[in-house]
Amino acid sequence: DAGVTQSPTHLIKTRGQHVTLRCSPISGHKSVSWYQQVLGQGPQFIFQYYEKEERGRGNFPDRFSARQFPNYSSELNVNALLLGDSALYLCASSSTTIRVGSGNTIYFGEGSWLTVV
Amino acid sequence: AQSVTQLGSHVSVSEGALVLLRCNYSSSVPPYLFWYVQYPNQGLQLLLKYTSAATLVKGINGFEAEFKKSETSFHLTKPSAHMSDAAEYFCAVTGTGAGSYQLTFGKGTKLSVIP
Repeated sequence: DAGVTQSPTHLIKTRGQHVTLRCSPISGHKSVSWYQQVLGQGPQFIFQYYEKEERGRGNFPDRFSARQFPNYSSELNVNALLLGDSALYLCASSSTTIRVGSGNTIYFGEGSWLTVV
Repeated sequence: AQSVTQLGSHVSVSEGALVLLRCNYSSSVPPYLFWYVQYPNQGLQLLLKYTSAATLVKGINGFEAEFKKSETSFHLTKPSAHMSDAAEYFCAVTGTGAGSYQLTFGKGTKLSVIP
């Protein structure tokens, strides 16, 4: 079975531009989360979506937005890119939105590397 | 708020030696704890998770971790390091209540294995 798939794998953008990152969850998974991993740091939670609704948001500015589609795939959008947005963006899927770990595991994709110049 | 602290940003061990990666958590209620591994230029792979069923948790690739409430620790161990274990390891904890849908990660420990 296919795991969590993300696209594109690498991209370079200029400051001020907009970027859209895409994620397809594991088949049957209805929850998608987004994390940002800056070089040398652990991943930081950005959003969680379940059944097309935002269920959680981390401490990120409004330049960051996301949505989930009827097929449970998701997009992460970042507007007005800053140099500090350069990072690995990880998508994760899980079967439900219940408490993580209670028989519910989060599976990560390989990420999208964003470089802002 | 839930948090984890990983002691040592970089650990080096000889091939065949014991691997010990340290993680301490901060939580007012019993948490769920995880260890993930990240190989270069890849995403995160779950090694093991603690969900209160047993304090000693066995994971993949010969790794295990022991939950010690008295020490608020969840250290990761492997009896004998292999070259393929070289990677970055992240300890993570769930939030509680409204935050239970997200993972909070430590800063990571990079493991080097010396031949």
